[in-house]
Amino acid sequence: EDQVTQSPEALRLQEGESSSLNCSYTVSGLRGLFWYRQDPGKGPEFLFTLYSAGEEKEKERLKATLTKKESFLHITAPKPEDSATYLCAGDNTDKLIFGTGTRLQVFP
Amino acid sequence: DTGVSQDPRHKITKRGQNVTFRCDPISEHNRLYWYRQTLGQGPEFLTYFQNEAQLEKSRLLSDRFSAERPKGSFSTLEIQRTEQGDSAMYLCASRPQGVVEAFFGQGTRLTVV
Repeated sequence: EDQVTQSPEALRLQEGESSSLNCSYTVSGLRGLFWYRQDPGKGPEFLFTLYSAGEEKEKERLKATLTKKESFLHITAPKPEDSATYLCAGDNTDKLIFGTGTRLQVFP
Repeated sequence: DTGVSQDPRHKITKRGQNVTFRCDPISEHNRLYWYRQTLGQGPEFLTYFQNEAQLEKSRLLSDRFSAERPKGSFSTLEIQRTEQGDSAMYLCASRPQGVVEAFFGQGTRLTVV
């Protein structure tokens, strides 16, 4: 069965303390791996799409990477406004299969 | 505003009542998706349309749930005889053809009391 697993479930960081979020996937025929950010009570907001192993994308303090089995979201020198839930999703048959997310809290 | 629009944003209903939600996708997007999200979980796929055709339904979608997209534009999701377990955030997303990002609306928060 197609599955996306994210770890850790929750992460607390001090402002400026860099870290990584993990997304492991077992999605047959994966065509794309997506990262979203979700603030409480709101819909997911698109961040990145990765299509093939070795690909990397960056946006401000965030960098997403992809291997054949995992994706990582690296957060460099986070700020309190980076606090949110980060979701990853795999696309195989025209729909996105989401993980349960990592809830990130960044303290000043 | 050119984003995905959902209405209402919040709905409180009594158990056993029927509810209907509406989603207006981004105009040039031919694919439209419905997801359900409960607290602490990721969005779970319910169903999707390509234009007016409903192409896939999750086994999570019981026969109390029905979705339509009559003219390939807006979509409605109806839940009949609501149960407390239906309480969740219902998210709509749209995307154009291809392996590209889906854009989500702000969701409809349903509370069944």
